[in-house]
Amino acid sequence: NAGVTQTPKFRVLKTGQSMTLLCAQDMNHEYMYWYRQDPGMGLRLIHYSVGEGTTAKGEVPDGYNVSRLKKQNFLLGLESAAPSQTSVYFCASGRDYEQYFGPGTRLTVT
Amino acid sequence: KQEVTQIPAALSVPEGENLVLNCSFTDSAIYNLQWFRQDPGKGLTSLLLIQSSQREQTSGRLNASLDKSSGRSTLYIAASQPGDSATYLCAFMDSSYKLIFGSGTRLLVRP
Repeated sequence: NAGVTQTPKFRVLKTGQSMTLLCAQDMNHEYMYWYRQDPGMGLRLIHYSVGEGTTAKGEVPDGYNVSRLKKQNFLLGLESAAPSQTSVYFCASGRDYEQYFGPGTRLTVT
Repeated sequence: KQEVTQIPAALSVPEGENLVLNCSFTDSAIYNLQWFRQDPGKGLTSLLLIQSSQREQTSGRLNASLDKSSGRSTLYIAASQPGDSATYLCAFMDSSYKLIFGSGTRLLVRP
């Protein structure tokens, strides 16, 4: 039982490049979430999903897209990376009242 | 819009002290409250979860309370140890199961 895993752990992008972050969970959770954390701040919700095939916008969705084609996976895409997207990205999954977090992906955009 | 404030932003105490971390929120329509611990460069570890109908939860040396009427939660750490050094985040879950985080309190326990 791996819980919530994130791929990759680290990445450096140049401005304008694209990439996809993968989140996988093996707990059969309906809900999945993507957050970003900037220095000295708490986590802010980017997008979330309440079930396979569904997605919804969070607090800071601009510049990101997501897909939930399979229940166990939640993908976060950056189509044209900007330096403002330098951050640590956390994925979480849960049934309803509790969320379980992955280890994070540290992304730097130069 | 729900806003979550954590005070203080940073705290340094000698080993053995009892300490209180504060968290305040603006909207009392919360589903639950969680306290998390985050070590540098690491993910989040859930410490305590209080449902909206509860007043407090305890785990070992940790005690968290919730007062919806005043919009406050506190995390009490008894007999602090250097291993408690970390950032502590509070988060409220709204009725649509989204978490709203505070910016955290960075704790240093000096030996």
